[in-house]
Amino acid sequence: DAGVTQSPTHLIKTRGQHVTLRCSPISGHKSVSWYQQVLGQGPQFIFQYYEKEERGRGNFPDRFSARQFPNYSSELNVNALLLGDSALYLCASSLGPYPSGANVLTFGAGSRLTVL
Amino acid sequence: AQSVTQLGSHVSVSEGALVLLRCNYSSSVPPYLFWYVQYPNQGLQLLLKYTTGATLVKGINGFEAEFKKSETSFHLTKPSAHMSDAAEYFCAVSGSGAGSYQLTFGKGTKLSVIP
Repeated sequence: DAGVTQSPTHLIKTRGQHVTLRCSPISGHKSVSWYQQVLGQGPQFIFQYYEKEERGRGNFPDRFSARQFPNYSSELNVNALLLGDSALYLCASSLGPYPSGANVLTFGAGSRLTVL
Repeated sequence: AQSVTQLGSHVSVSEGALVLLRCNYSSSVPPYLFWYVQYPNQGLQLLLKYTTGATLVKGINGFEAEFKKSETSFHLTKPSAHMSDAAEYFCAVSGSGAGSYQLTFGKGTKLSVIP
């Protein structure tokens, strides 16, 4: 089975631009979460979607938004990019909404965003 | 609310030596605890998890961790380091019920293995 796939793998944007990152979960997984990993730091939670509804939001500004489609794939959108948005954006999928022993997050390889 | 502290941003061990990566957590509810590994230019791979039951948990690649509630710790160990263990390791915590949507990660520990 294919794992979590993310696209694009790398991209470069300039300040003020907009970016859309895409994620396809493991087949059968209905939950998608997004994390931001700044260089030298651990991943930080941005959003979680389950059954196409937002179930959780981290401490990120309104410039960050996301959605989940009927096929459970997801998009993360970031408007008005800042230099500080440069990071690895990780998508993770799981069967259900809550991290647990039976509901483990499986991560994709990430999309590396550089903002110049 | 949960938080994770990983002691030591960088740990170096000789090949064949004991690996010990430290993790302390804070949680207002009974925690679920996880260790993930990240190889260069890759995503996170789950090494092991603690949810309930036995406090000593075994994971992949010979790693294990022990949940010590009294010390709020979940240290990761491996008896004998291999060159392929060189990577960054993240400890993470989540709550254990409804509303616990997210994993909270530590800052990571980069493990170097010296031949």
